[in-house]
Amino acid sequence: DTGVSQDPRHKITKRGQNVTFRCDPISEHNRLYWYRQTLGQGPEFLTYFQNEAQLEKSRLLSDRFSAERPKGSFSTLEIQRTEQGDSAMYLCASSLLRPSTDTQYFGPGTRLTVL
Amino acid sequence: TQLLEQSPQFLSIQEGENLTVYCNSSSVFSSLQWYRQEPGEGPVLLVTVVTGGEVKKLKRLTFQFGDARKDSSLHITAAQPGDTGLYLCAGARGGSEKLVFGKGTKLTVNP
Repeated sequence: DTGVSQDPRHKITKRGQNVTFRCDPISEHNRLYWYRQTLGQGPEFLTYFQNEAQLEKSRLLSDRFSAERPKGSFSTLEIQRTEQGDSAMYLCASSLLRPSTDTQYFGPGTRLTVL
Repeated sequence: TQLLEQSPQFLSIQEGENLTVYCNSSSVFSSLQWYRQEPGEGPVLLVTVVTGGEVKKLKRLTFQFGDARKDSSLHITAAQPGDTGLYLCAGARGGSEKLVFGKGTKLTVNP
């Protein structure tokens, strides 16, 4: 078990471009989460999947953002027409649904810089 | 409005000192997790507490969940430079799967 992995680790793009990030969760985990973290803040929830179903989306997730988990394994987060305000660390986490607790394990993150 | 308030926001101490970090809320959480984060990396889980009044120890770190499940503390004994990092508390509220994070406590332990 190698933990949650994310790719790329760093992405620099120009305003208006589209970007896509990938997350591979811990293999047996059926839940996958996306968070965003800006400087000096804790992570903020964006969306989560249980298997391939997207069950909750934050109001932070504008229509320029879309996330998929097509086969219930890896997930992608796409940002269209990037803006400078999208610059942040994008974190993925996964968990195994259990009755009493749902501990989330985080990946190393993708640092996005929009110029 | 920050649902989870962490204090202090910054803490700089000498090696060997003890410290306590607090995580407070007016809301009840079904579970609370503590993470440590290094610059440019994702948060690494330290502990999960789920029962009011629960105390967990991880070597020199002691975590406590308040009786009412609204607050938590992290106590570090004899801090070492390797303890330097951003400590984040995060809570899960009943009926929602997302974690709500505090802003974190940035700890620096000087040799």
